[in-house]
Amino acid sequence: DADVTQTPRNRITKTGKRIMLECSQTKGHDRMYWYRQDPGLGLRLIYYSFDVKDINKGEISDGYSVSRQAQAKFSLSLESAIPNQTALYFCATSDLTPGQGQETQYFGPGTRLLVL
Amino acid sequence: LAKTTQPISMDSYEGQEVNITCSHNNIATNDYITWYQQFPSQGPRFIIQGYKTKVTNEVASLFIPADRKSSTLSLPRVSLSDTAVYYCLVGLYNQGGKLIFGQGTELSVKP
Repeated sequence: DADVTQTPRNRITKTGKRIMLECSQTKGHDRMYWYRQDPGLGLRLIYYSFDVKDINKGEISDGYSVSRQAQAKFSLSLESAIPNQTALYFCATSDLTPGQGQETQYFGPGTRLLVL
Repeated sequence: LAKTTQPISMDSYEGQEVNITCSHNNIATNDYITWYQQFPSQGPRFIIQGYKTKVTNEVASLFIPADRKSSTLSLPRVSLSDTAVYYCLVGLYNQGGKLIFGQGTELSVKP
C-alpha cells in the first residue's frame, strides 16, 4: 500500500550495530504495528501502538525497541543487532471500520535486513 | 486467541475456481474472519473479511457456515497472478495487534 512507506528498503549491518527502521503513513490511522517475517514462516508481531502515547509489546519484542514520534511515524530499533534478527520487517497501520468494529491492516513494502 | 489451521499448499490451473478452507474451532463470539494475500517480498494485502454466512467482493467470496468453526475463501477463475500465500486470520475486533498470521496457504497457479 503506497500510503505506508518504509525506509530503508534494504539494509546490511554488522553484529552489535544499532540500526533504526522507519515507517510513515498518510492514512491517518491511529494504530501502527511492526512485524518480522522469516523464510517460510508467517508474520510475527514485534510491537504495536494504538496511539502516540500507547506502546505495547508483541510476541517477540526482546532485542527491539520502538518509538512513536507522531501519529504518522513509528520507528523500530535494534539496539545491538544479531544475526538471527536477519529477516523481512513489515510495518502496518489500521483503523476500525466505523460502526462495525472490524479491523483491516495495511502493510508497507517491507525492509529486508541482513545482519552479518 | 483462536488458532487457525489451513493447508500448507495448493495447486491449481488458470481459469479454475480455488477454494481454501480454514479451520478455527475455538472462534469466539465476537471474532471476525479475515483473509490476506501476500506476494513474495511484499506486505500482506487485505482480501476479504466476514462474520457469518457469505461475503462477496470484486476479488473473492468468503463462506462461513452457521457454526463458524471454519471458513472457505473462494477465488473465481484464478490466473497466474493469483499465485501467492493466503492467510486466514481470526481476531477479536477492537483487539488490534493480536492477529496471528500463521504459515498460510501457498497457492500455485499453473498455465
